[in-house]
Amino acid sequence: QVQLQESGPGLVKPSETLSLTCTVSGASVSSGSYYWSWIRQPPGKGLQWIGYIYYSGTTNYNPSLKSRVSISGDTSKNQFTLKLSSVTAADTAVYYCARDRLLGGLDFWGQGTLVTVSS
Amino acid sequence: QSALTQPASVSGSPGQSITISCTGTNSDIAGYNYVSWYQQHPGEAPKLLIYDVSNRPSGVSHRFSGSKSGNTASLTISGLQAEDEADYYCNSYTSSSTLVFGGGTKLTVL
Repeated sequence: QVQLQESGPGLVKPSETLSLTCTVSGASVSSGSYYWSWIRQPPGKGLQWIGYIYYSGTTNYNPSLKSRVSISGDTSKNQFTLKLSSVTAADTAVYYCARDRLLGGLDFWGQGTLVTVSS
Repeated sequence: QSALTQPASVSGSPGQSITISCTGTNSDIAGYNYVSWYQQHPGEAPKLLIYDVSNRPSGVSHRFSGSKSGNTASLTISGLQAEDEADYYCNSYTSSSTLVFGGGTKLTVL
């Protein structure tokens, strides 16, 4: 059974960098069959795709966040990490990691973690 | 990239069928057969219902079906049940090799 689990600080100060890690079990982030994505959802609002990483290290990001986002992978720990810099209150959201079946839908999701940006 | 356009809300009575539309552009929905749909209950992570326009993952009820015409994709739920009350999101691959979600539709079962 594939499982994903987000972890990281629940509170980040404005202008600082948000950093979250997704730990995967039951599947390998070094598999060429999947992308590994981050998605977020501000309280009471809709889903926003942030970006993905492929096993080769190839990444792609939402154009609206591209200047502030970085996604990296650690195959030894079977994890991938999101970094979002210069955060503001608008970045307050539940952040999800998910497995993307190479254009075949996001089939497994983590439970999500709420990150609040506040001083 | 702009979010795909979905109606904010739809409603239906138990047993009825409803359809949720998702409108995009030539750069996303119209250009690729990579549309997926997700169901999200309050406080839960989204669940994949439909992928590649009309395919259901194992375990998803046959009451859920998807289709596409031009730049508009649709999700149809037949035999509406109380448990179908949730938020629904469409998603598409884009010409920039990115993904884009719709704004979401709240389904109310009357």
